[in-house]
Amino acid sequence: QVYLVQSGAELRKPGASVKVSCKASGYNFTDYSIQWVRQVTGQGLEWMGWMNPNSGNTGSARKFQGRVTITRDTSTDTAYMDLSSLISDDSAMYYCARSRKGSSWWFDYWGQGTLVTVSS
Amino acid sequence: QPVLTQPTSLSASPGASARLTCTLRSGINVDSYRIFWYQQKPESPPRYLLSSYSDSGNHQGSGVPSRFSGSTDASSNAGILVISGVQSADEADYYCMIWHNTASVVFGAGTKLTVL
Repeated sequence: QVYLVQSGAELRKPGASVKVSCKASGYNFTDYSIQWVRQVTGQGLEWMGWMNPNSGNTGSARKFQGRVTITRDTSTDTAYMDLSSLISDDSAMYYCARSRKGSSWWFDYWGQGTLVTVSS
Repeated sequence: QPVLTQPTSLSASPGASARLTCTLRSGINVDSYRIFWYQQKPESPPRYLLSSYSDSGNHQGSGVPSRFSGSTDASSNAGILVISGVQSADEADYYCMIWHNTASVVFGAGTKLTVL
């Protein structure tokens, strides 16, 4: 059974950074891409970026370029999303999801979400 | 104008059909895109339902009932999700998604389905 298990809730001050982890199990980690999606409470889904765990190649939405870093540790089958220079508008639930490599594939398995709160 | 436009809300009676639309912005041709649909219930991550593409047809997500079906409509430049025999358990937010500009994903703002 495929699982994506994310790290716990985080509280950060404005200007700080946060690193969310996403541990995969039940499949070959390097055979699928990892996507990152966030959702502000009461609002819609917002795609942030992707990573190919095999090559380490990444891409991100224009809005987050320069602020988001997506990495992985293949020894532990874990993906990471690091968001810097946090502002209050970054307070949201952050999800990782799995998709086949390349574009035009669905996100078939999702993590449970990590709530990030940015507050002074 | 957003890339994908969804009605904010829709209501349906139990047993009826609900038709949810996802309209692509003018200049973005639905025939060139696979439209993905996700269901999200409160306090849960999204769940992949199905996807539709004019040329190669539909893909149903694992375990998704056949009551959920999708299509595209070139005349309205939209993706369509139809839920037949609506149940109270179908009350949720529904999001459409496309891969736009190759390696970039866009979600619609979502439609809240209420089962009355």
